[in-house]
Formats: sequence, C-alpha cells, structure tokens
Amino acid sequence: GAGVSQSPSNKVTEKGKDVELRCDPISGHTALYWYRQRLGQGLEFLIYFQGNSAPDKSGLPSDRFSAERTGESVSTLTIQRTQQEDSAVYLCASSPVPGFGDYTFGSGTRLTVV
Amino acid sequence: AQSVTQLGSHVSVSEGALVLLRCNYSSSVPPYLFWYVQYPNQGLQLLLKYTTGATLVKGINGFEAEFKKSETSFHLTKPSAHMSDAAEYFCAVSTTGANSKLTFGKGITLSVRP
Repeated sequence: GAGVSQSPSNKVTEKGKDVELRCDPISGHTALYWYRQRLGQGLEFLIYFQGNSAPDKSGLPSDRFSAERTGESVSTLTIQRTQQEDSAVYLCASSPVPGFGDYTFGSGTRLTVV
Repeated sequence: AQSVTQLGSHVSVSEGALVLLRCNYSSSVPPYLFWYVQYPNQGLQLLLKYTTGATLVKGINGFEAEFKKSETSFHLTKPSAHMSDAAEYFCAVSTTGANSKLTFGKGITLSVRP
C-alpha cells in the first residue's frame, strides 16, 4: 500500500477484555515496529520485527502483551486482560531496510479501556 | 544504549517569532537524528533527519536543525513561527545497522500566539 495502515483507528474496550490491533506496513518493508504513546508521554518502543521474527521485544510491558507478524506483511498486537493503564495510542512504523533511518508511521490506534 | 532529552514540555512563541526547540541525545555510536511533528489527532510526520554528511539539515515547512557532535545536540529552529506550526514535536535518535530502532524524547508542545 501507499502508507502504513492501522486498524481500528479507535477502540473502546472494557477492562479485562482482550484486544487485537492490526498494522499493515508498506509493501516490501522488511522491518516493522510497534510503539505506545500514553497521554502526555513520549513514544515507548514495544517490539521490532525483521521479517516474521522479533529480534527485539524488550519494550513489551508485561506478558499480557504479544505480537506476531506474517512474513513481511501484516502484524497484530494483542493485549490480553486489558487494564486502564493500557489506554494509549498504539503506533506502528515500517522501514524498507533497518538501520538506514527510513521509517514511515501509521496514524495509530487509540485504545481506551473503561 | 541511546536516549533523548527534550527539556521542558511546552514552548509558547508569538507569530513571526523565532522557534527554538532543544534536543540533546546520548548514543554510544554515531547516531541518526530525527525531528517528528504530530498535529492533534494525527500520526507522526517526519520534519527532517540527519544521517551523514552536512550537519545543517533543512526540512519541511521551513524548519531546520543542526547536528553538533561536541554538544550532543540537535536543536530545531524556524526563523518565523506560523499559527499552523502549533503541534507537538518529538526528537528521536537511532543507531545504524540491524536491529536499530527509534528512541524518542518526551516531546514538546509548541503554541503560537497571534
């Protein structure tokens, strides 16, 4: 696609429910990143994919968070048993080749846990 | 390890005045440096980036930044603020090579007074 696409754009869920957030990167981009932006905060790194492997998942805040990627395509970030502190904008970015400073961000998914 | 410091959370300038947003970084290897802008309820947009070469980098919307290795700084400037510049600005650093990722500062909100 022309850009990085994320869905849904907004999600309201009840505390304790599971949610899935989707990221569709730019075609041909091998690297994919997930970030979290909580209100009034900077962007926190969550996980990085190179192809369908995740060499760096150091930013996942707890075992309730997991992510997977199919080949060099779509990625899904899953949050189990959501908590109110999970409320944030979740941003996805992709890059054609890691390490050359070329990142394109999606518009994000705004998650609200009530 | 790498980090970014953006001092202060809010800057207010008058329309037509100089915009100066400060960014200092820490990196154990030569960094790539970025400034992103985020307008309300929108995704991140790249303003400019430094990878190699000329240390004065010009970006979109009249912004520029200068990489100063001796000061570990990458301050963002614009000679004359416009009302449309009101947004949140993020400085970020990444390394080169495989498994590199963006590390963001906490961001600065720029307000422009008429």
